[in-house]
Amino acid sequence: ETGVTQTPRHLVMGMTNKKSLKCEQHLGHNAMYWYKQSAKKPLELMFVYNFKEQTENNSVPSRFSPECPNSSHLFLHLHTLQPEDSALYLCASSQEGSYSYNEQFFGPGTRLTVL
Amino acid sequence: DAKTTQPPSMDCAEGRAANLPCNHSTISGNEYVYWYRQIHSQGPQYIIHGLKNNETNEMASLIITEDRKSSTLILPHATLRDTAVYYCIVRDSGNTGKLIFGQGTTLQVKP
Repeated sequence: ETGVTQTPRHLVMGMTNKKSLKCEQHLGHNAMYWYKQSAKKPLELMFVYNFKEQTENNSVPSRFSPECPNSSHLFLHLHTLQPEDSALYLCASSQEGSYSYNEQFFGPGTRLTVL
Repeated sequence: DAKTTQPPSMDCAEGRAANLPCNHSTISGNEYVYWYRQIHSQGPQYIIHGLKNNETNEMASLIITEDRKSSTLILPHATLRDTAVYYCIVRDSGNTGKLIFGQGTTLQVKP
């Protein structure tokens, strides 16, 4: 139990569906992240939010739309996905600042399958 | 951030020390070395980090060479539950939030 929860844990969706992934952190951190892990590939950073402001977008296609309503919650809205978007989507949080270790705590991930 | 090089896989006997090497020859003075691991189908887990001194915590020890161009993660008494992919990451202390994961080393602990 890392203090970062993700729902759902598994999701199967068609290419025309709209769905959302949810992440919640109970650690009082000020930064949250979305990562994508495709089969046999390294984790890829998708988005970074610091104090609810998006500070990084790693050339992610617009069919992925993040939302950070407050520092504890992070969403990833999905629409018109492709089969190659099937992957494990991981959320993480950290406390960023001069005196922090910047250790990132990861959730268990959402296993997404796009049919 | 500097790039790291790790062997793709290693084996270790249960109960023995596992020594995982990492090369980061282009590391700069304000970059830290972080180690994470990922057990199959779970999220990565932080292990340890260091700048230039050797570090130890309840999970592992980190040995950084004097020139800081390489480091070794040591799991002193490996168990079957330590079987995982281990990632060595170099990160600028000022580069907020960015962890760049490589392929890592798959450590297989065998009975």
